[in-house]
Amino acid sequence: AQTVTQSQPEMSVQEAETVTLSCTYDTSESDYYLFWYKQPPSRQMILVIRQEAYKQQNATENRFSVNFQKAAKSFSLKISDSQLGDAAMYFCAYYTGTASKLTFGTGTRLQVTL
Amino acid sequence: GAVVSQHPSWVICKSGTSVKIECRSLDFQATTMFWYRQFPKQSLMLMATSNEGSKATYEQGVEKDKFLINHASLTLSTLTVTSAHPEDSSFYICSARDLDRGFGEQFFGPGTRLTVL
Repeated sequence: AQTVTQSQPEMSVQEAETVTLSCTYDTSESDYYLFWYKQPPSRQMILVIRQEAYKQQNATENRFSVNFQKAAKSFSLKISDSQLGDAAMYFCAYYTGTASKLTFGTGTRLQVTL
Repeated sequence: GAVVSQHPSWVICKSGTSVKIECRSLDFQATTMFWYRQFPKQSLMLMATSNEGSKATYEQGVEKDKFLINHASLTLSTLTVTSAHPEDSSFYICSARDLDRGFGEQFFGPGTRLTVL
């Protein structure tokens, strides 16, 4: 069974600084997708960034980028120039067509301070 | 585009009653919808996968007779919590998969907070 591990229950970053959230996963599949979702206090799940496993290039979306290390099964999220609106729960998630469902990590609560 | 709505956004009911939660894909057709449960400060736990026109597939440990799922159209899935008890109080989230977007990206509804008294 696939598992997703987020080892940082909470993280804190100062406004305008950079923070990295960690995620590791376990799978025997070779073709899969990895995601980072943001869940603000409203609890609406928002897709932050997506990475296809077959792509070697790390995905980037404005201030958000990932460090995808396929051999190490690691998928970290870097948030640059952190803003107060970035404060939220962040969930790492894994998807494969074999299971056809998302598997979520336990989440990391990010605080952004002035 | 790719908007998913849920109704109601919150509901309070008495123990022993049944509650229905609706999940709608507003601007796309969703052959597959997913129902999740989220306890406070925890992750999302998949309860079941709902396929249009067929029976839902429940995750291990989820009582299918307790959580009835119907997916009668390409834009609507419903979750009915039957004979609700206080331990069913939780945040329920649905998502819908848009097959027109490559592998079928999932889009999430805003969730429904259920409180059983």
